[in-house]
Parts: sequence; C-alpha cells; structure tokens
Amino acid sequence: DSGVTQTPKHLITATGQRVTLRCSPRSGDLSVYWYQQSLDQGLQFLIQYYNGEERAKGNILERFSAQQFPDLHSELNLSSLELGDSALYFCASSVGLEGYSPLHFGNGTRLTVT
Amino acid sequence: AQSVTQPDIHITVSEGASLELRCNYSYGATPYLFWYVQSPGQGLQLLLKYFSGDTLVQGIKGFEAEFKRSQSSFNLRKPSVHWSDAAEYFCAVGPTNTGNQFYFGTGTSLTVIP
Repeated sequence: DSGVTQTPKHLITATGQRVTLRCSPRSGDLSVYWYQQSLDQGLQFLIQYYNGEERAKGNILERFSAQQFPDLHSELNLSSLELGDSALYFCASSVGLEGYSPLHFGNGTRLTVT
Repeated sequence: AQSVTQPDIHITVSEGASLELRCNYSYGATPYLFWYVQSPGQGLQLLLKYFSGDTLVQGIKGFEAEFKRSQSSFNLRKPSVHWSDAAEYFCAVGPTNTGNQFYFGTGTSLTVIP
C-alpha cells in the first residue's frame, strides 16, 4: 500500500459530461502529480501541485483542470468528456520538489467515456 | 530536456531464468533514476532508486539496477525470475530543477513462461 488514495476506482460516464477525480496524498507529502495512462499514449504527465500551488504543467487539455486544497488533497476535473478521454488516471505524491524524492502512486481511477 | 528510453517493448523469459531490462536516459549531469513496476489494474510501485554513490543499487523483490554513466544506462536485473514478476516495468528520471516533471519511459512488458 503506497498510502496514496484515489477515488473513485471506476467511473463510467457519457460524452459531454464532467467528472471529478479525487486524490489524497501520503501523509507528509506536499507534492501531488496527476498522470493519464492509455494504451496508445502511455503514461502522460498532466500537472503537478506543491503545497497548494501549481508547479508544473504537462500535456493537460484545456478541458481539464486541477487544484490542491489546504489539506493537501487534490482533485482533477475533466469536462466536456470525449471518447478519447477514456483512460487510467493516476495520482502520485512525493515529499517535496526535489528530483530524488520518489513518486508514490495511487491505484488509479479508471474512466470510461461512452 | 531529459528523456528516458526503454528499447524493449516486450520481453518473454522462462521462470527461473535471469532478466535484464534496459533503460537509457538523456541528461548531462548525474540524474535521479528510478524503476517502477505496474501489475495489471494497479498503480506503479517503486522498485528502487539511484541518486549517487554505489552504482549498483538493490531494490525490493530481489531486483537490482546498475548505473553506468559512460553508457547513460540504468538497467534493471534479477537473477531468477518468478511467475509473479510478470508486469509492466517503467524506468524514470527525476527532475533536476524543482518544479519540473519526472520523465518516464514507455515501459517494458514482461511475460514469464512456466
């Protein structure tokens, strides 16, 4: 158990809808990362937060947004969903910003858009 | 920019045989290097990490990896593979500047034949 909790585990929704994925980092970790994993794109970095502030942005679509709250949990909001958004969404956390702080991953949320 | 290459998309080995998974990175200085394993339907689990010092690092589940600066490689090895080692393996490089992202390879899928 990595200590990172993601909810829900599975999500099925229709095109055009909006969903929110939630992540609770490991106790003591201040950084939260979001990744998207699909068969054709592999593991894609979306966005990173550190202690409530956005610190790095990857291949995140404008339809997607995220935030990290004062209690350090994070939410990833996906709107105007398309079939191609179906994927596994992972949250990972680390102690800080340093590259030697490894990421600890949750078990992911599997999103299916129909 | 940093990058990680895993040349082998898929590897098949017999149970009890030795294993080596290749990873090459692109970065000028000593990188922060990681290996992760992902079982089906699960998140990524940290196997081992290298920051500095001894170039041969030991990890969990009997895995080890060797950092070779001259070859820009960080190959993962295991002397005797078990059927439970069948999974996807990812090599990653940690950010060298705070606020930058981790870079993951595209992964190597390992099949273990009885």
